[in-house]
Amino acid sequence: NAGVTQTPKFRVLKTGQSMTLLCAQDMNHEYMYWYRQDPGMGLRLIHYSVGEGTTAKGEVPDGYNVSRLKKQNFLLGLESAAPSQTSVYFCASKASGYYPYEQYFGPGTRLTVT
Amino acid sequence: ELKVEQNPLFLSMQEGKNYTIYCNYSTTSDRLYWYRQDPGKSLESLFVLLSNGAVKQEGRLMASLDTKARLSTLHITAAVHDLSATYFCAVDMGTDKLIFGTGTRLQVFP
Repeated sequence: NAGVTQTPKFRVLKTGQSMTLLCAQDMNHEYMYWYRQDPGMGLRLIHYSVGEGTTAKGEVPDGYNVSRLKKQNFLLGLESAAPSQTSVYFCASKASGYYPYEQYFGPGTRLTVT
Repeated sequence: ELKVEQNPLFLSMQEGKNYTIYCNYSTTSDRLYWYRQDPGKSLESLFVLLSNGAVKQEGRLMASLDTKARLSTLHITAAVHDLSATYFCAVDMGTDKLIFGTGTRLQVFP
């Protein structure tokens, strides 16, 4: 039982390049989330999904796209990377309903855009 | 817009001392979470507080929730070095989406 995994762990991009971050969970959770963490700003929600085939915008969605083609996977795409997207990206998942209530987080992806 | 404020942002404390971290939020919510993050690591769930007056304790940490005051506290008793980490509170907006506080970086020294 690996929980929530993220690929890759580190990445360096040049401005204008594109990439996709992969999040996978093996807990059969309905809900999945993408956050970014910047120094001194806590975590901010980028996009989320409440089930296979559904996605919705969070607090800071601009410059990102997501897809949830399979229940266990949630992909985050950057079409044209910008230095402002340098951050640590965390994926999380959660069961629907009441228990367990908390979100479970992956190990993070550190992205640098030069 | 829901805002979540933590204070202090940085806390340096001596081993054996007690202290409290505060989490204030701006709109109604009855579900609040506390997470711990070690440097370079992911977030680990500490407490889930689901109703007014909820109190949870684990080891030297105790969390409470006052939904009327829109306030949660994380109390540290007799701090030890292993508690050094960043602590985040997060408030549920009512749609299983969380708004995080900016975090409190705790450093415990001998």
